[in-house]
Amino acid sequence: AQTVTQSQPEMSVQEAETVTLSCTYDTSENNYYLFWYKQPPSRQMILVIRQEAYKQQNATENRFSVNFQKAAKSFSLKISDSQLGDTAMYFCAFQKAAGNKLTFGGGTRVLVKP
Amino acid sequence: GAVVSQHPSWVICKSGTSVKIECRSLDFQATTMFWYRQFPKQSLMLMATSNEGSKATYEQGVEKDKFLINHASLTLSTLTVTSAHPEDSSFYICSARAGGSSYYEQYFGPGTRLTVT
Repeated sequence: AQTVTQSQPEMSVQEAETVTLSCTYDTSENNYYLFWYKQPPSRQMILVIRQEAYKQQNATENRFSVNFQKAAKSFSLKISDSQLGDTAMYFCAFQKAAGNKLTFGGGTRVLVKP
Repeated sequence: GAVVSQHPSWVICKSGTSVKIECRSLDFQATTMFWYRQFPKQSLMLMATSNEGSKATYEQGVEKDKFLINHASLTLSTLTVTSAHPEDSSFYICSARAGGSSYYEQYFGPGTRLTVT
């Protein structure tokens, strides 16, 4: 079974600064997908970024980028130029390439301060 | 992006009654739908996976006779909480996925808050 661990329950960052969220996972699979989801106060889950394990290049989406270290089973999310709207819970998630179930980490609450 | 709706967004029911939550994919056909439960300040816990026309597959520890899931069409799945008790109070989230193989994004509904009194 896969496990996903987010070691930071809560983080705060000043507006316009950068924050990095950590995520580690445990799997025996070689092919899989990793995700970061955002859950704002509305509780609507929003996909932030996706990484395919077979790709060495780190995924980026505008101000969001990941540092994917496959050997270390680490998948951190960097939010650059933080905005007030980035305040939310962030969940790291794992999915086997041949499967369809998502396994979520415990979440990190991010508070962006003005 | 694709849209998934849930109805109702908030429901209050009395202990011992049953309540049905609907999950609809509005602009795509969902081969697979998922039901999650989320307690306050906690992560999402997968309850079950349903494929259209098939019986749902429940995760370990989830009572299938208590949480009835029906995926009768490619756009609708329902979760019925039977004989609800206060401990069933939670936030229930569905997601939907098109396709049966390879990678297809899961689209999440806005969630349903269930309060059992």
